Amino acid sequence: ELKVEQNPLFLSMQEGKNYTIYCNYSTTSDRLYWYRQDPGKSLESLFVLLSNGAVKQEGRLMASLDTKARLSTLHITAAVHDLSATYFCAVDRDDKIIFGKGTRLHILP
Amino acid sequence: EAQVTQNPRYLITVTGKKLTVTCSQNMNHEYMSWYRQDPGLGLRQIYYSMNVEVTDKGDVPEGYKVSRKEKRNFPLILESPSPNQTSLYFCASGRPWDTGELFFGEGSRLTVL
Repeated sequence: ELKVEQNPLFLSMQEGKNYTIYCNYSTTSDRLYWYRQDPGKSLESLFVLLSNGAVKQEGRLMASLDTKARLSTLHITAAVHDLSATYFCAVDRDDKIIFGKGTRLHILP
Repeated sequence: EAQVTQNPRYLITVTGKKLTVTCSQNMNHEYMSWYRQDPGLGLRQIYYSMNVEVTDKGDVPEGYKVSRKEKRNFPLILESPSPNQTSLYFCASGRPWDTGELFFGEGSRLTVL
């Protein structure tokens, strides 16, 4: 059974600081996704990682994938308040796309 | 505009009264899926469909039905809703094996009394 675990589940941080969200999954997977959800809103795709060693960056967010360790990270550089949201990773296996529980990120001014 | 449309967005109903949440996408996607989101549990997949007339169970299919008679539509049916189906429901569509990302609807908040 495919399980997806995110750490931490809640993160409160100061503006300007760096931090990393971790996503572990239990079995081999074809793809790994990162999504963002603002309060009361739908989910928005951030990154799709397709292969071992893949790294993608958009603004202050950078995602990476290590398929051997079954680990993806979402790194936040010099956080700003606008990045406050819940971040989900999701893993694709046999056409099922399974989500982690999400990391609620709260960035303090 | 490319979008996934769900209806209704909000619904309060009573136990046992059958209801359908509709989902329609205009992007010609083969893959569609339903999720429910509950506090502390993230998103859990209910059903998914790889194409017309092809549907499969996700992790929490009990109490739900789906159909995929047309490519654009993927309704979620609750034959006899119960209070434990009170949740926020999201429909999504995409081509996971191609571009990878899923496009989500705005969500349907369902309360079963």
